[in-house]
Amino acid sequence: GESVGLHLPTLSVQEGDNSIINCAYSNSASDYFIWYKQESGKGPQFIIDIRSNMDKRQGQRVTVLLNKTVKHLSLQIAATQPGDSAVYFCAENRGSNYKLTFGKGTLLTVNP
Amino acid sequence: NAGVTQTPKFQVLKTGQSMTLQCAQDMNHEYMSWYRQDPGMGLRLIHYSVGAGITDQGEVPNGYNVSRSTTEDFPLRLLSAAPSQTSVYFCASRQLAGGNQETQYFGPGTRLLVL
Repeated sequence: GESVGLHLPTLSVQEGDNSIINCAYSNSASDYFIWYKQESGKGPQFIIDIRSNMDKRQGQRVTVLLNKTVKHLSLQIAATQPGDSAVYFCAENRGSNYKLTFGKGTLLTVNP
Repeated sequence: NAGVTQTPKFQVLKTGQSMTLQCAQDMNHEYMSWYRQDPGMGLRLIHYSVGAGITDQGEVPNGYNVSRSTTEDFPLRLLSAAPSQTSVYFCASRQLAGGNQETQYFGPGTRLLVL
């Protein structure tokens, strides 16, 4: 079964609010994690990544937090905008050759 | 750069037919891969390649063949299509070097329906 999963399959927020999307992983050997955004009819788009030697990384309006103790990953989106509406996937890298394992995704809907 | 391109965008096949999904990238990336995405599921790795002449199986390789004769191209072949192969197929590429270059770039996808 999937070792990378999401706690919430759907998330609905108001425009301007902060969004938090969660992800659990089961393999403690995973050393690299990525968040992707996928808009309807398009391929996944890289948002932000983090290595296992870090617990936090910030980008533009996005922050990824990694808690290795409980094998938990989260994506925080500040001041969520309608353009942020999409499916968000977390993915983990378990070894060489960059073989990513994806979670099932969370649908984020931003209400104006 | 055009990035990662895929053709065709849509395809309808009958059971037993064969076809090739094309993927090309112009970023000189060593690593290329194919994923399939089914409703309500994440992407699952079919095959991947770390360079010309080198391919390997991913999580769900059965029913698919690949080859990598050039750095730029990584076609995915369905020799005898089955309804279970109805899916959206994504090609991706990345550099093998570490650091910020580890991110994968995805193509727009090919939507395949097998009747």
